[in-house]
Amino acid sequence: SQQGEEDPQALSIQEGENATMNCSYKTSINNLQWYRQNSGRGLVHLILIRSNEREKHSGRLRVTLDTSKKSSSLLITASRAADTASYFCATVLYSGNTPLVFGKGTRLSVIA
Amino acid sequence: NAGVTQTPKFQVLKTGQSMTLQCAQDMNHNSMYWYRQDPGMGLRLIYYSASEGTTDKGEVPNGYNVSRLNKREFSLRLESAAPSQTSVYFCASRMGPKAENIQYFGAGTRLSVL
Repeated sequence: SQQGEEDPQALSIQEGENATMNCSYKTSINNLQWYRQNSGRGLVHLILIRSNEREKHSGRLRVTLDTSKKSSSLLITASRAADTASYFCATVLYSGNTPLVFGKGTRLSVIA
Repeated sequence: NAGVTQTPKFQVLKTGQSMTLQCAQDMNHNSMYWYRQDPGMGLRLIYYSASEGTTDKGEVPNGYNVSRLNKREFSLRLESAAPSQTSVYFCASRMGPKAENIQYFGAGTRLSVL
């Protein structure tokens, strides 16, 4: 069964607003990664946060990780229409040498 | 600079037919993966190959077989297609099974089984 669960399933915002997506997982992890999928395309890696990190930034992306609550959030600031996509969290289990396990994703629509 | 290439992009099969989905990567990656993506289900791992010469089952392996032909190529075979295998299939590769290696995905194969 899937390790990660994103929330909300769908999100619609106006251009310029911030978008926040959450991910909860079940077991101890080595790291957590976020991927983006544009319609009809494959997934593209966005950012990785290790289990000993609490926050990480990359451009307009901010990721937080709370291992005590087994949850992560992805914040996209000043959203653009081009940010319209599905966003997936993926976890790597504590042992490390395991495949990524993906959640079901959040569909983000940014309206111009 | 192709990355991960999947063929075909689209396929329609009749129930019971067989086919092989091809995947090749040119990044000298050791690990390769096959996922299926269904509406509302996210990505589910079918099979993976941590390194050349090894393959392992994922979450949903029934009805599929794989072959790691060489370091570059990892194929997925449906021996007797069923309507439940209608899905979008993604191949991915990764430098190795080490935890911090990120995955690179192909564009997907859209399969319909009638």
